[in-house]
Amino acid sequence: DAGVIQSPRHEVTEMGQEVTLRCKPISGHNSLFWYRQTMMRGLELLIYFNNNVPIDDSGMPEDRFSAKMPNASFSTLKIQPSEPRDSAVYFCASSLFGGEQFFGPGTRLTVL
Amino acid sequence: AQSVSQHNHHVILSEAASLELGCNYSYGGTVNLFWYVQYPGQHLQLLLKYFSGDPLVKGIKGFEAEFIKSKFSFNLRKPSVQWSDTAEYFCAVNAPGGYQKVTFGTGTKLQVIP
Repeated sequence: DAGVIQSPRHEVTEMGQEVTLRCKPISGHNSLFWYRQTMMRGLELLIYFNNNVPIDDSGMPEDRFSAKMPNASFSTLKIQPSEPRDSAVYFCASSLFGGEQFFGPGTRLTVL
Repeated sequence: AQSVSQHNHHVILSEAASLELGCNYSYGGTVNLFWYVQYPGQHLQLLLKYFSGDPLVKGIKGFEAEFIKSKFSFNLRKPSVQWSDTAEYFCAVNAPGGYQKVTFGTGTKLQVIP
């Protein structure tokens, strides 16, 4: 099994640009989670999906952030427009029926 | 709502010392409990988990954790740490039975000095 796949692994962009992060969960998993990790705030849950439906997006910091899961094998997290304070490592994770979460390698985002 | 407390934010130990990291959770019902480890520059990986049964759970790399229901605790232990155990450790909890998110603690950074 390839595990959770995230792309890109690194993204450097300028303030105001749109950023799209991508995630492919483990095949057969029915829950998908997006996290953000920074030194200051630690690990934060942004949003999670069950069976492709967003269940809890209370962690999304503001309207500039949006996430979609058009099918069971793909999800995106979009930031538009990006700001320097969005710089962080963004992790995607998937699980089956609330069990162990498997994390992807993360996307390190730097907004200049 | 469930919550997880990890009281130690940063722990420094010498190699061969024993380790115990505290984890307390707040939730009124049955829980699943997890410990994850994040090595420097890497993603979180599962160390061990408790769903039911024997409250003493053994995980990878010599780690174990004990679920004490009366204390709402799930402390992580290792009798003798190695330099390679330097990492951040996260305790997590969720309610079993389907579509519950996992709530993570704030993490404990462990530094092992050779």
